[in-house]
Amino acid sequence: QKEVEQDPGPLSVPEGAIVSLNCTYSNSAFQYFMWYRQYSRKGPELLMYTYSSGNKEDGRFTAQVDKSSKYISLFIRDSQPSDSATYLCAMSAGGSNYKLTFGKGTLLTVNP
Amino acid sequence: GAVVSQHPSWVICKSGTSVKIECRSLDFQATTMFWYRQFPKQSLMLMATSNEGSKATYEQGVEKDKFLINHASLTLSTLTVTSAHPEDSSFYICSPRGGMNTEAFFGQGTRLTVV
Repeated sequence: QKEVEQDPGPLSVPEGAIVSLNCTYSNSAFQYFMWYRQYSRKGPELLMYTYSSGNKEDGRFTAQVDKSSKYISLFIRDSQPSDSATYLCAMSAGGSNYKLTFGKGTLLTVNP
Repeated sequence: GAVVSQHPSWVICKSGTSVKIECRSLDFQATTMFWYRQFPKQSLMLMATSNEGSKATYEQGVEKDKFLINHASLTLSTLTVTSAHPEDSSFYICSPRGGMNTEAFFGQGTRLTVV
């Protein structure tokens, strides 16, 4: 079993839809959880950063972490064509120098 | 978020030549630098980790003599791909860490094509 599992998609939705992206993990030591957006041929851009369990909201984005289930989610409300990108989940055990473990990434297309 | 500058953004080189990629952290001191490689439609794969002033630690399967990493200062790290071959063609991304940052930020990436 891989440490982090993420459905690669592709996922295609109409503009305005609510998008749900998910990752599961097996390492109970993970405490820091991140979601990145990556446009084609660009570096990953940090969207959301969460420590331990709970919810975090930033504009149209909501990140949820359920450590008991080892499950994290990213919700995108009122999706826009500009949200079309690959979304990567990442997590680490902690500390600024700890390695990140990435999911494979989910390719999202929002159709106008 | 942190400001990271990576260049060049793309480079084409002939097989057998060397290519240097630079990564700068512009607004914080990067005590640690992570270098990743990403093949098309795949996730980021960690190549090596370097701490300022120390030798880099390479992941299993990554040739240290081929991918030379220099992290001589807290704001600059370089990755040199030596004697490049077509199979080294990939997207290389740096991620400096340090200071008060517990989240990770990335450079813009360098697309290397070896012909």
